[in-house]
Amino acid sequence: AQRVTQPEKLLSVFKGAPVELKCNYSYSGSPELFWYVQYSRQRLQLLLRHISRESIKGFTADLNKGETSFHLKKPFAQEEDSAMYYCALSAETSGSRLTFGEGTQLTVNP
Amino acid sequence: GAVVSQHPSWVICKSGTSVKIECRSLDFQATTMFWYRQFPKQSLMLMATSNEGSKATYEQGVEKDKFLINHASLTLSTLTVTSAHPEDSSFYICSVPRGGGFAYEQYFGPGTRLTVT
Repeated sequence: AQRVTQPEKLLSVFKGAPVELKCNYSYSGSPELFWYVQYSRQRLQLLLRHISRESIKGFTADLNKGETSFHLKKPFAQEEDSAMYYCALSAETSGSRLTFGEGTQLTVNP
Repeated sequence: GAVVSQHPSWVICKSGTSVKIECRSLDFQATTMFWYRQFPKQSLMLMATSNEGSKATYEQGVEKDKFLINHASLTLSTLTVTSAHPEDSSFYICSVPRGGGFAYEQYFGPGTRLTVT
């Protein structure tokens, strides 16, 4: 079975500082990894996915199969980045079912 | 992006009654939809996969007789919480997958807050 771990429930940084949200996974096959974001009072939405290798809102994430990690990074955090971030995995055998991590609440202070 | 709606957005019911929650895909058809449950300040827990034209697939530990799922059409899935109890109070979220490969994405509904008194 697959599992996603986000070790930090809360993360607080100052505006302009770099931010890294950690995500580790366990899965024996080739996973698809995603980051979803939930802003206050809004629905969950896709931030980025590893397969597309794109940067959204200044965020990037690299899949490291050796360390089984998919950390989310941004060089300069903005106040509007404050939100709940979820790392998610889709296993090749489970179709489009997602397994979510516990989530990290990011707060960017002015 | 695609729009997924849920109705109602919140509901309060008495213990022992049943509650139906709807999930609609407004601008594309979906043979599969997912139902999640989210407790306060916790992650989303996948409950079941709703399949159009066949029975829902439930995750381990989820009571299929308590959480009835009906994929009524290619744009509608319903979750009925039967004989609700206070411990069923939670935030229920549906999602609808679309596309594949680079274009694959899951679109989430806004959620339904259920409170059982």
